[in-house]
Amino acid sequence: AQSVTQLDSQVPVFEEAPVELRCNYSSSVSVYLFWYVQYPNQGLQLLLKYLSGSTLVKGINGFEAEFNKSQTSFHLRKPSVHISDTAEYFCAVSGRTYKYIFGTGTRLKVLA
Amino acid sequence: GAVVSQHPSWVICKSGTSVKIECRSLDFQATTMFWYRQFPKQSLMLMATSNEGSKATYEQGVEKDKFLINHASLTLSTLTVTSAHPEDSSFYICSTQGTNEKLFFGSGTQLSVL
Repeated sequence: AQSVTQLDSQVPVFEEAPVELRCNYSSSVSVYLFWYVQYPNQGLQLLLKYLSGSTLVKGINGFEAEFNKSQTSFHLRKPSVHISDTAEYFCAVSGRTYKYIFGTGTRLKVLA
Repeated sequence: GAVVSQHPSWVICKSGTSVKIECRSLDFQATTMFWYRQFPKQSLMLMATSNEGSKATYEQGVEKDKFLINHASLTLSTLTVTSAHPEDSSFYICSTQGTNEKLFFGSGTQLSVL
């Protein structure tokens, strides 16, 4: 069985500061890993994904994540956040099936 | 990228009535669509997988007679919440799967049952 843990339910950070949103997963098989962002009253948008290859994945809006197999982590980072980055961020994992398992989400609040 | 249109975005209904939510794939044919439910401060939970031309596959614990799914064409899947009750109030969101395991999500429907 697969599972995803996002330990931080909320992360407040000042504008232009760096941020890291943590994601750990468990799986007995090879996985695909994703980060999605959800703005208020909107659907989810894909930020980035790891399927294979380079463990450092760059996504949209300046976000990046690093797949660490030994630590079973896929933390999301941004060196300098903006007010517009305020949103809910979801980490997700899937195997070679269509079933995605989502984490409980981390609410990033960027403060002026 | 692919676009998925979902509506209504927000609906309020009386307890006991039925609500239909539509999910359209605008620029590609979606043989499979997924329906998720998201309660406040919780993650998305897969409810069912909608397959064009065949019966939907429901996740454990999801009542198929309460959440009717129809996927009659390659571009449209509908979720009908029958005899809605306040505990059905939630954010419902559909998605289709494109290439490279990527999911394309609709904008979601906030259902409030009074």
